[in-house]
Amino acid sequence: GQSLEQPSEVTAVEGAIVQINCTYQTSGFYGLSWYQQHDGGAPTFLSYNALDGLEETGRFSSFLSRSDSYGYLLLQELQMKDSASYFCACRTGGGNKLTFGTGTQLKVEL
Amino acid sequence: DTGVSQDPRHKITKRGQNVTFRCDPISEHNRLYWYRQTLGQGPEFLTYFQNEAQLEKSRLLSDRFSAERPKGSFSTLEIQRTEQGDSAMYLCASSSGTGGSYNEQFFGPGTRLTVL
Repeated sequence: GQSLEQPSEVTAVEGAIVQINCTYQTSGFYGLSWYQQHDGGAPTFLSYNALDGLEETGRFSSFLSRSDSYGYLLLQELQMKDSASYFCACRTGGGNKLTFGTGTQLKVEL
Repeated sequence: DTGVSQDPRHKITKRGQNVTFRCDPISEHNRLYWYRQTLGQGPEFLTYFQNEAQLEKSRLLSDRFSAERPKGSFSTLEIQRTEQGDSAMYLCASSSGTGGSYNEQFFGPGTRLTVL
């Protein structure tokens, strides 16, 4: 089967940096995506890594190591609005099917 | 671009009834996905369409579930003989088959199903 593991909860203060890790076991791996979901909202796309290395998009960066089946999402200059659930998701197959992890709830405090 | 829309947003039904949900994807997107999400979990893949063709269906999906995308635009998801375990948020997403947003799925607001 396929599985993705993430920490269930992370707490950090406003302005800090936080890293959310994701380890995965899957077959037919194409890449790793990250999605943000606020309570009651729809998941929204943050980033996608197909190759090893770091991808930076504004305050968010995402990293992938295919050999270690590991990735992380790095959030810098945390803001209160970043409080949400963050999901890593493996893309498997040519159709872009996503298998999601159970999510990490990020709480940003003053 | 009005985004992905889903209807209804909420549905309460009694066990044993049939329900149907509708999803309208972003107009130029040829790929459409259905996911199910329960509280505290990530979305779980149900099925996927490229244009009107249903290319993949989760092994976890029972025969009570069926999805269509008859003209390659909107899609419907029907659940027959609903069970309490079907209570969940049903999410629809769409994506473009080409271009820079190839790997990005755009999600709709979801339909929350409650089976009594």
